[in-house]
Amino acid sequence: GEDVEQSLFLSVREGDSSVINCTYTDSSSTYLYWYKQEPGAGLQLLTYIFSNMDMKQDQRLTVLLNKKDKHLSLRIADTQTGDSAIYFCAESVNRGSTLGRLYFGRGTQLTVWP
Amino acid sequence: KAGVTQTPRYLIKTRGQQVTLSCSPISGHRSVSWYQQTPGQGLQFLFEYFSETQRNKGNFPGRFSGRQFSNSRSEMNVSTLELGDSALYLCASSPAALNTGELFFGEGSRLTVL
Repeated sequence: GEDVEQSLFLSVREGDSSVINCTYTDSSSTYLYWYKQEPGAGLQLLTYIFSNMDMKQDQRLTVLLNKKDKHLSLRIADTQTGDSAIYFCAESVNRGSTLGRLYFGRGTQLTVWP
Repeated sequence: KAGVTQTPRYLIKTRGQQVTLSCSPISGHRSVSWYQQTPGQGLQFLFEYFSETQRNKGNFPGRFSGRQFSNSRSEMNVSTLELGDSALYLCASSPAALNTGELFFGEGSRLTVL
């Protein structure tokens, strides 16, 4: 089955860069996603990358994909206290349908210290 | 554009009761998915509906059911509640015309079973 792994906790100081890592197992993944969840809220899509890309940058966010190692990372530049949240990595594995279900990791709790 | 709306936001039930949760997707979105989020299991896929048809189903017992109406609104029902059903139930909608699998989540319905 599909398995998405990520470390559970990350602490950084305000202004530093944060790097959240994720590994996945299904080589037929089509899209990979990063979602953010703040306390008491649902999941907010931050960014996604198509599996034939190796990098995507969106303002302070940089996504790197190493398809050979099935490794995905999210780098947040100039991390702010407002970035404190749980970050989920997810993969989409479409199998002949327009939309596939998403497989989520357990989430990484990012804590940003002032 | 209004986001995904879930009702009720919070509810408390006792074992053996049943519960119905409602989800209104973003206008124009025809796909609705449901996820269960617990501290122990993380995010687990329940089911996905598109045009009133269930397209995908996760590994949950038959006590968990859902449906989608012609206006794309969806409901999920859990019968004979158990303590382990206490969770945050998240609904997500997707613009079916896109093949990116992006999901837009509601804030969830937090169910407590006593």
